[in-house]
Amino acid sequence: ILNVEQSPQSLHVQEGDSTNFTCSFPSSNFYALHWYRWETAKSPEALFVMTLNGDEKKKGRISATLNTKEGYSYLYIKGSQPEDSATYLCASFPFTGTASKLTFGTGTRLQVTL
Amino acid sequence: DGGITQSPKYLFRKEGQNVTLSCEQNLNHDAMYWYRQDPGQGLRLIYYSQIVNDFQKGDIAEGYSVSREKKESFPLTVTSAQKNPTAFYLCASSIMGQGDGYTFGSGTRLTVV
Repeated sequence: ILNVEQSPQSLHVQEGDSTNFTCSFPSSNFYALHWYRWETAKSPEALFVMTLNGDEKKKGRISATLNTKEGYSYLYIKGSQPEDSATYLCASFPFTGTASKLTFGTGTRLQVTL
Repeated sequence: DGGITQSPKYLFRKEGQNVTLSCEQNLNHDAMYWYRQDPGQGLRLIYYSQIVNDFQKGDIAEGYSVSREKKESFPLTVTSAQKNPTAFYLCASSIMGQGDGYTFGSGTRLTVV
């Protein structure tokens, strides 16, 4: 994998449903994987920064896992609420010395309805 | 409250004109970044700076210029050489450019008329 890829592109769930998204990233030179939530008309907000293989992070009903060997991360939302509606971005940060920088995926757009 | 301020929120430019987008942060972050978003694409890096008076080109730097004279400020100029400038522009900052979470501004939507 050369780029950061996210799936699905969009998702529409009912309130109370649990859901998950996938982020695939290059596993070579891996340093960190970021997840951001971007609500309409607001700034992207950092959810997690993950660095260790097998790591799992949690923030309320949202959690994320990381597999650096195979190059993927899952974001889970338990019991989705309308306020979870947003675009979820992942970004890979490979270590390439002073030129290291984040590469973003295109995002997964989640819509939660009542 | 600390944060990043981008201005203006909306900007209209005539073809052939240069325009400057402002980005100011009061977070004492060393690194600052400019991204561009187009429909159906991920955020693409235009320029970034890890220290005052130094900056590097990102993936799509052609037609853009930046300066970093103060730690707090990282303005982006969209020049007339940028062939397709209509887009949404986001500024971000981080403590260090090495994997820390980024703080983003609210963006500037630039439209060429």
